[in-house]
Amino acid sequence: EPEVTQTPSHQVTQMGQEVILRCVPISNHLYFYWYRQILGQKVEFLVSFYNNEISEKSEIFDDQFSVERPDGSNFTLKIRSTKLEDSAMYFCASSEQSLHTDTQYFGPGTRLTVL
Amino acid sequence: DQQVKQNSPSLSVQEGRISILNCDYTNSMFDYFLWYKKYPAEGPTFLISISSIKDKNEDGRFTVFLNKSAKHLSLHIVPSQPGDSAVYFCAASHRNFNKFYFGSGTKLNVKP
Repeated sequence: EPEVTQTPSHQVTQMGQEVILRCVPISNHLYFYWYRQILGQKVEFLVSFYNNEISEKSEIFDDQFSVERPDGSNFTLKIRSTKLEDSAMYFCASSEQSLHTDTQYFGPGTRLTVL
Repeated sequence: DQQVKQNSPSLSVQEGRISILNCDYTNSMFDYFLWYKKYPAEGPTFLISISSIKDKNEDGRFTVFLNKSAKHLSLHIVPSQPGDSAVYFCAASHRNFNKFYFGSGTKLNVKP
């Protein structure tokens, strides 16, 4: 069964450094998402992406964050200058159609630790 | 952001009995709701959804009920199995927005 994959599974970085989290969505999917979950808290929406542009973003997704689909398979989340509070699990998801007509499939997550 | 709330952080149920997980929302514009299950070290897995034009949706052992006037939905699992032990998240959205708001999750423990 096709699945969303994410790399790395765990990323440790120093505060102020840039990180890039990578995701490979399911191949025929057109909509892509990033979520995060701070330890012990709820899953929070960050951004949705369709047709090579951001379609929705949350208040969390400020200028420090960016997303890109650099080729036909990868979908990346970049955090330009990490802060301690960016430490969280980051989940990528994809869906074939928009949220109201199709299911999102989540990847296993990348645990980001900012020291 | 507390638009979706799951007030019970945990629930313990005996195998074979019914599990009822509850979720409340505040935004009356929400018109699409989902339940996700999450095991440790894995991403959320879609379970079941319901549109606001319905008040019930059933899929095998899982049934979701929606009470729009009370802004409340619930997930019933019957019979509960030990493999159902996981964290369950409800999520809500509106058709004009391509994003979901998640609740904080309820950890279900089904005892053999």
